[in-house]
Amino acid sequence: GQQVMQIPQYQHVQEGEDFTTYCNSSTTLSNIQWYKQRPGGHPVFLIQLVKSGEVKKQKRLTFQFGEAKKNSSLHITATQTTDVGTYFCAGPAGTYKYIFGTGTRLKVLA
Amino acid sequence: NAGVTQTPKFQVLKTGQSMTLQCAQDMNHEYMSWYRQDPGMGLRLIHYSVGAGITDQGEVPNGYNVSRSTTEDFPLRLLSAAPSQTSVYFCASSRRTDSNQPQHFGDGTRLSIL
Repeated sequence: GQQVMQIPQYQHVQEGEDFTTYCNSSTTLSNIQWYKQRPGGHPVFLIQLVKSGEVKKQKRLTFQFGEAKKNSSLHITATQTTDVGTYFCAGPAGTYKYIFGTGTRLKVLA
Repeated sequence: NAGVTQTPKFQVLKTGQSMTLQCAQDMNHEYMSWYRQDPGMGLRLIHYSVGAGITDQGEVPNGYNVSRSTTEDFPLRLLSAAPSQTSVYFCASSRRTDSNQPQHFGDGTRLSIL
């Protein structure tokens, strides 16, 4: 069946360092969404990418959708302690269904 | 504006007990869904609904029932709890049924089955 994998599973960085998480789907996606989940919290929608090769920025966060629409990445520049959490990608899995990636847990050391 | 409200926030059950996790949204969203979150496995879809009276199975539906009698409410029922159902359960809703909409999540229910 369809799978969405994220790497790395965990990442520890020093505050101020950059961070990147990669999302890879076994099938082509019509769009991809990114969510952030703070420790003990619930997933919160960050952004959606739709077009092949699309790049979107939100302050220090840069999101990319691959040319083949099977992969995506989230890059954080100069991480801060507020960036701590788990980042998930998600995409359509047939009609009315979503499939979430396995997530990347980010820990930022002050 | 409450968004998506889940109750209870925490629950401990014994094997074989039944219970209902409640989910309500006040955004008049058509689409509602239930996920379970287990360490290292992300969020897995249990059941979803595209409107009142319409439900369908997700990736991991066994052991769970749902119903959608109103637009606002989408309860999840565990018929006979098993330790494998120990997890964090999230309810989510989105404005439309097409996959182009962000999902809004509740705070979750942390469920332990002994």
